[in-house]
Amino acid sequence: KNEVEQSPQNLTAQEGEFITINCSYSVGISALHWLQQHPGGGIVSLFMLSSGKKKHGRLIATINIQEKHSSLHITASHPRDSAVYICAVRGRQGAQKLVFGQGTRLTINP
Amino acid sequence: DAGVIQSPRHEVTEMGQEVTLRCKPISGHDYLFWYRQTMMRGLELLIYFNNNVPIDDSGMPEDRFSAKMPNASFSTLKIQPSEPRDSAVYFCASSTRVSGGGLDWQPQHFGDGTRLSIL
Repeated sequence: KNEVEQSPQNLTAQEGEFITINCSYSVGISALHWLQQHPGGGIVSLFMLSSGKKKHGRLIATINIQEKHSSLHITASHPRDSAVYICAVRGRQGAQKLVFGQGTRLTINP
Repeated sequence: DAGVIQSPRHEVTEMGQEVTLRCKPISGHDYLFWYRQTMMRGLELLIYFNNNVPIDDSGMPEDRFSAKMPNASFSTLKIQPSEPRDSAVYFCASSTRVSGGGLDWQPQHFGDGTRLSIL
């Protein structure tokens, strides 16, 4: 079993729909990252969080440390949101090493 | 801010050849990471440096792989000899810690990656 599991692996939705991507992890962590990888290949860090919730534009990330679970939400989805979304966790004790989920491929159709 | 710069963007070479990937981190960042991404295994950490010193190289697949950081603005990842199974996208990322009431970390900034194909 991977230390970081994402679901779903693939998600196709219509423009305007509310999107949720889930991430579960099995180890103690100091922080969780959500990354976005566009078809061109570049990787962008969307959020880094260790508790609660963060919001940036139409993107919202939440984390429940007790349940070892995080969600990434996209409101009013748009075709330009089509990308692979990757969850990554950083271990305790301030370690810098990230362990990645396999990613969720999101396609938003117009 | 120029971001993390990687070169080359694409590399195609024959097996057995030496391959050198290059990375320039963001100025002021004291952590540098090398990752490999494949369809089968996703993103994996190969090695990371702090202040030019290798901290964790447990992800380096075998002795054919080596990484150096001779100074704060440059790092290389070398594969010698290369094999077809080394074909992947290799990313470099950099980061630093910030302090403000309690130590925290900046998110990692990724380069555009080097797409390596070993024939």
